[in-house]
Amino acid sequence: DAGVTQSPTHLIKTRGQQVTLRCSPKSGHDTVSWYQQALGQGPQFIFQYYEEEERQRGNFPDRFSGHQFPNYSSELNVNALLLGDSALYLCASSLGGYTEAFFGQGTRLTVV
Amino acid sequence: AQTVTQSQPEMSVQEAETVTLSCTYDTSESDYYLFWYKQPPSRQMILVIRQEAYKQQNATENRFSVNFQKAAKSFSLKISDSQLGDAAMYFCAYRSARIGNKLVFGAGTILRVKS
Repeated sequence: DAGVTQSPTHLIKTRGQQVTLRCSPKSGHDTVSWYQQALGQGPQFIFQYYEEEERQRGNFPDRFSGHQFPNYSSELNVNALLLGDSALYLCASSLGGYTEAFFGQGTRLTVV
Repeated sequence: AQTVTQSQPEMSVQEAETVTLSCTYDTSESDYYLFWYKQPPSRQMILVIRQEAYKQQNATENRFSVNFQKAAKSFSLKISDSQLGDAAMYFCAYRSARIGNKLVFGAGTILRVKS
């Protein structure tokens, strides 16, 4: 049973560029949440997708957007990248948003 | 808004000894869940233990146990018989019982295990 998978593993982008990160949830899960983890800090909630709609959003600017596909996979898009967007981006999946969350290994984004 | 505080940036323990990691949280809700996650250098967040707020009995998972004090809003993690593989960053996290709610994490505690 494949767990949560994220791609790519690492990514380097230039300021001002746009980036797309991808997440495939654990088999049987329908809810995907995204978190940003800056170096040495705890993860911060970005948003959650359920039934292809954004169900809840954290305190992140509109430059951060997402999408969920009919197969429950999800994308996180960040526009106009800033140096401060450099972080580990974690995807977590669950069933309905109320069962245990399983995390992927994350995507390390470096903005230069 | 809920907050989670981990006051110990770093802890060390000798192999085979016991260590306790501290966590306090703030919430006005009565129904919620608390978690301890482990994040090794591989970066993947691994669930160690969970506690439902309505349960008075402290959760236990093998060498891991918690001390849940609801009135004091305290949720500490005890690791017994520490092993080298326990070395990691540990995060305390809160989640409301409402469907779809997010995880709120503390800043983490680095646990070092000495051989």
